[in-house]
Amino acid sequence: DAGVTQSPTHLIKTRGQQVTLRCSPKSGHDTVSWYQQALGQGPQFIFQYYEEEERQRGNFPDRFSGHQFPNYSSELNVNALLLGDSALYLCASSLTSGVETQYFGPGTRLLVL
Amino acid sequence: DQQVKQNSPSLSVQEGRISILNCDYTNSMFDYFLWYKKYPAEGPTFLISISSIKDKNEDGRFTVFLNKSAKHLSLHIVPSQPGDSAVYFCAASSGTYKYIFGTGTRLKVLA
Repeated sequence: DAGVTQSPTHLIKTRGQQVTLRCSPKSGHDTVSWYQQALGQGPQFIFQYYEEEERQRGNFPDRFSGHQFPNYSSELNVNALLLGDSALYLCASSLTSGVETQYFGPGTRLLVL
Repeated sequence: DQQVKQNSPSLSVQEGRISILNCDYTNSMFDYFLWYKKYPAEGPTFLISISSIKDKNEDGRFTVFLNKSAKHLSLHIVPSQPGDSAVYFCAASSGTYKYIFGTGTRLKVLA
């Protein structure tokens, strides 16, 4: 049973560029959440997708957007990259019924130069 | 405003002894709490959770205690093993789908 997978594992971009990160949820899960983890900090919630719609959003600017596909996989897009966007981006999947435990992927490490 | 706090950035424990990791929260609306373990270059791995209707949950070597009046939870690992060396995050949810994480405690279990 495959767990949560993310691609790519590492990425280097320059300021002002755009980036797309991808996530496939754990088998049987239909909900995907994205988190940003800066160095020395805990993960911070960006948003959650369910039924191809953004269900809840954290305190992140509109430069961060996402998408969920019919097969429940998801993308995180970040436009106009800033140096401060350098972080580990984590995807977590869960079942939507009630408050279900979120299971995390290995993350994508983004470096903005 | 840090709603979930882990005030000890690091902890060292001898192999075989008990490890106790602490977490404090400020939001009384939190009703679900979790502990995750994270190794370098990996995503957080779910360890154990507890609902606010309970005060203790046990799973093998791991036990989580919740003290709602003190807004405090702790993770006990008994006995500690070298493979437990990792960063431990506590997280809380108020039924709004998002988790609020603490800043983590780095546990080192000495052989």
